[in-house]
Amino acid sequence: EVQLVESGGGLVQPGGSLRLSCRDSTFSFSTYWMHWVRQAPGKGLEWVANIRQDGGETYYADSVRGRFTISRDNAKNSLYLEMTSLTADDTAVYYCAREWSVWGQGTTVTVAS
Amino acid sequence: QTVVTQEPSLTVSPGGTVTLTCASSAGAVTSSYYTNWFQQKPAQPPRALIHSTFNKHSWTPARFSGSLLGGRAALTLSGVQPEDEADYYCLVYYGGWVFGGGTKLTVL
Repeated sequence: EVQLVESGGGLVQPGGSLRLSCRDSTFSFSTYWMHWVRQAPGKGLEWVANIRQDGGETYYADSVRGRFTISRDNAKNSLYLEMTSLTADDTAVYYCAREWSVWGQGTTVTVAS
Repeated sequence: QTVVTQEPSLTVSPGGTVTLTCASSAGAVTSSYYTNWFQQKPAQPPRALIHSTFNKHSWTPARFSGSLLGGRAALTLSGVQPEDEADYYCLVYYGGWVFGGGTKLTVL
């Protein structure tokens, strides 16, 4: 049973922007911290950002701070990642995760001209 | 920036026991750092195995266990199965979350 589904990935030019979404099919989304994690092709996992249950606290990796914004809409059971000023180094599969226990299948972001 | 280091690769025989470790450039890893362990197979998302250093999820096979060993977090697989061949990642909290570089486990 797939509980987290990411969407919004695609091909974007360097300097461009993209918004990723993660939809939680359960009724308890609002009770969990949520995370975004990425994995560049052939590389390891990198934590990107996380957000508290009510959206009142957010934290970012140094590599994305100031360019990426994490947010959530508990009424829609959805998590978002707004990405701006994208570079080739941001090319990766992006996963959302619910308090590290449940992960989505990922959505692929490719930054290239 | 804290760097978390894992063995790049390990090989174990079926039925054997292997321990993967997770070390920090910031010093000893303790239970205060909420170590998580994940398994990832090719073309699949990571699957959570251990949380808060020692605790298994409901779906974690009994042969997996988490511990602290000599200032490192550790994941031990006892009675290794062929399906345990995968990449394993630790994740540690240092005021922000940091993944280790991963260990490629080969069952041979």
